[in-house]
Parts: sequence; C-alpha cells; structure tokens
Amino acid sequence: AQSVAQPEDQVNVAEGNPLTVKCTYSVSGNPYLFWYVQYPNRGLQFLLKYITGDNLVKGSYGFEAEFNKSQTSFHLKKPSALVSDSALYFCAVRDGVASGSARQLTFGSGTQLTVLP
Amino acid sequence: DAGVTQSPTHLIKTRGQHVTLRCSPISGHKSVSWYQQVLGQGPQFIFQYYEKEERGRGNFPDRFSARQFPNYSSELNVNALLLGDSALYLCASSLDRTPTSGNTIYFGEGSWLTVV
Repeated sequence: AQSVAQPEDQVNVAEGNPLTVKCTYSVSGNPYLFWYVQYPNRGLQFLLKYITGDNLVKGSYGFEAEFNKSQTSFHLKKPSALVSDSALYFCAVRDGVASGSARQLTFGSGTQLTVLP
Repeated sequence: DAGVTQSPTHLIKTRGQHVTLRCSPISGHKSVSWYQQVLGQGPQFIFQYYEKEERGRGNFPDRFSARQFPNYSSELNVNALLLGDSALYLCASSLDRTPTSGNTIYFGEGSWLTVV
C-alpha cells in the first residue's frame, strides 16, 4: 500500500519570505512523487514531479522540491513567496513498479498555504 | 492545445438518481483516470482506463462504473446516488504507456456534483 502525509493543514508565511510545505510518503517500490496546486473551485494544476535523477526538482512558478530517500520526504519549497501563491497544495505518490496498483496516485490531505502581504 | 475537458461543470441530483460525467483527455493521451474529491480532503482514486481497458479500480462500491471510448474519451457513471456522493469529480489523463513511465498526470477542472 502507498500513502502520503502532509502534517500541516495550514501554513502561513509573509510575502517575500521562503516557504516550505512538508510531505512524507510510503511506498513499497520506487516512489514517483508529484506536487499539485488547487485554487478555489478549480481542478488540480501540476507543479513538479520526481521520477529519478537529481534530488532537487524545479517546477512551475519558481517552486522546487527536494527528494530525500532516507527521510522518505518530498518537501515543496519556494525562495520568495507571493500573495498569489496562496492556495491548497497536494502531494501525491505513485509506486513506480509494474504492478496492478502502480497506476493510481495517492494524495495527501492537502496544505492550505496563505501568503500574507 | 486543449487540456483535459470535463462536462458538466456543475450539476444537482436527487438521492437515488443516476449521473453520467464526461471527460475528454489531452490529445494523444490514451490513459484516463477518475478521482473523487470530497470537500476538505485529497482526491481519491476511482478508476483508470488505458486503451479502453480498465487498469485499476479504487475502493468504491459497484454503483460506480466507467468506460473509455475508441477516441479515448471517458464516462463515469454513478447509480443510486447517495448524499455522500456529493463531491468534485476529477478526470485526469496521461500518456502512461507503461506503469513505470512516470508520465505527468494532468487534471481537468472537475465536475461538481451535489446530491440533495
């Protein structure tokens, strides 16, 4: 079974400050990790993913994430937050092995990011 | 290019009724998945289809069914609606030729279903 934990329901940060949204995961095989953002009453928008290779992944809108295998974490980061970054952020995992359950994404419960002006 | 498109965007149904939700994947994508997102929670996997075959099913009752058409579009059907089926239903598409491909999964804007 695969699972994702986002330990913080809410993260508040001042505009211009760095932000971190935390994610830890559990899978039996190789982790394929994703971050999505959801604005109010909208669908999910892809930010970035880790499949293999460099542990630091760069994505859309200046976001990046660091894969840490020993800590089973994939935290989302941005050096300087914008008010427009305020939204709901979801971490998701998929098991990258050829099994029946490999094709589904398992999501965390989400973290509401609020960037204060 | 158009992204994943879903219809209808909003609908209201009565308990016991049936609903059909529709999805068109990104051009060239042969994999379509459906997710249910209840307010305040993360999306939950319902089905995945690839080349018109069901490749995965989540922990949902048999009232939920889906199919994929030759043009790779898909329908999600829910019978005997319950109040608890009220949610945002998200469709996603990807290239997904193999389970290990790691292709990005793109989501549509969703269909908001309210059951009264």
